[in-house]
Amino acid sequence: GQNIDQPTEMTATEGAIVQINCTYQTSGFNGLFWYQQHAGEAPTFLSYNVLDGLEEKGRFSSFLSRSKGYSYLLLKELQMKDSASYLCAVPNDYKLSFGAGTTVTVRA
Amino acid sequence: DADVTQTPRNRITKTGKRIMLECSQTKGHDRMYWYRQDPGLGLRLIYYSFDVKDINKGEISDGYSVSRQAQAKFSLSLESAIPNQTALYFCATSEGGMNTEAFFGQGTRLTVV
Repeated sequence: GQNIDQPTEMTATEGAIVQINCTYQTSGFNGLFWYQQHAGEAPTFLSYNVLDGLEEKGRFSSFLSRSKGYSYLLLKELQMKDSASYLCAVPNDYKLSFGAGTTVTVRA
Repeated sequence: DADVTQTPRNRITKTGKRIMLECSQTKGHDRMYWYRQDPGLGLRLIYYSFDVKDINKGEISDGYSVSRQAQAKFSLSLESAIPNQTALYFCATSEGGMNTEAFFGQGTRLTVV
């Protein structure tokens, strides 16, 4: 099975950078997803990493280290609209296993 | 229109009542899923279906049943609702295995009183 840990909450200032860490334990690795979820809304896809290293996509970047069972999502130049929950998820063959999510609050 | 549509969006029901949540998709995906979300627990899989004739239990299927009426439609039923089934329910689809992006509906907020 999967065990996925991420911090519960983070707060940052508009324009700043925030890094959301995720550690996982899995019996077989098939990549790692990050999803964004605004309060009461559907999760939406942000990134998928299957190889080690950093993948950048605009203001958001995602990093993976398979040997350490570790990933992070980096949010740069924070905007108020980035206030949301960020979900780390690891697939096994038939489903996605999700972490509990990290709620990021961006303050002016 | 949304690619994955859930109805109703909000529902309050009484303990012991049967309730059905519906999901339809226009993505043309074979794979469909039902998740529930509770504060502090994340999303947990209730049932999943890889095609019309394939239905499988997820992590927390007790007290729930599903029906895959067509490729595009996947409904979730609570046979006899209880208060601890109060949660936010999401339907999702994916094109292939779960190493492909999942597309979620807008969610159904269910309250059992």
